[in-house]
Amino acid sequence: QQQVKQSPQSLIVQKGGISIINCAYENTAFDYFPWYQQFPGKGPALLIAIRPDVSEKKEGRFTISFNKSAKQFSLHIMDSQPGDSATYFCAASIGGGATNKLIFGTGTLLAVQP
Amino acid sequence: NAGVTQTPKFQVLKTGQSMTLQCAQDMNHEYMSWYRQDPGMGLRLIHYSVGAGITDQGEVPNGYNVSRSTTEDFPLRLLSAAPSQTSVYFCASSAPKGTEAFFGQGTRLTVV
Repeated sequence: QQQVKQSPQSLIVQKGGISIINCAYENTAFDYFPWYQQFPGKGPALLIAIRPDVSEKKEGRFTISFNKSAKQFSLHIMDSQPGDSATYFCAASIGGGATNKLIFGTGTLLAVQP
Repeated sequence: NAGVTQTPKFQVLKTGQSMTLQCAQDMNHEYMSWYRQDPGMGLRLIHYSVGAGITDQGEVPNGYNVSRSTTEDFPLRLLSAAPSQTSVYFCASSAPKGTEAFFGQGTRLTVV
């Protein structure tokens, strides 16, 4: 039972390009949508998060776009850099980002080529 | 700034052996969880705790036991390891109403 579907599974982008990762959810009760970034050999770390009362949130080169009616949200990485090469997980939860409430997507392995 | 500390980082077990994965956090977080990460399957919740003495099952609890005697520690026990438990295991902690889960660096377990 996969409540959060993430695509693509892997992504190759040239340096300076835009990386886009998409997620879709089914449960309309979800009210918190974080993205986690994981470097090889490390644990995931919170990158950026959004609540459904806004359609977009931007932090530096990272932007979340949220479409409540379509039950979809996406991560955009502008001016992608080799240092952005990592695995990205979307997640959804009800009532905040506490660790026991997060439902994760299957992850996207991003490679940014120099 | 230790955060969430997991030990060991790597472990090889034979089928049927038992072991305990250790997890400790120094942020005074009430909530702690164990996840396993497998290729193409993301992070799946094994067990979690909302405070000392309180634990509950997640999505994939079979074959694992947990206990929480202190706020700081949340060990994960494999009673009889199976090859299907080959995975990378992550411990995480958070505040009850927090917006961020803090993860350890993981334990890569191989069961042969």
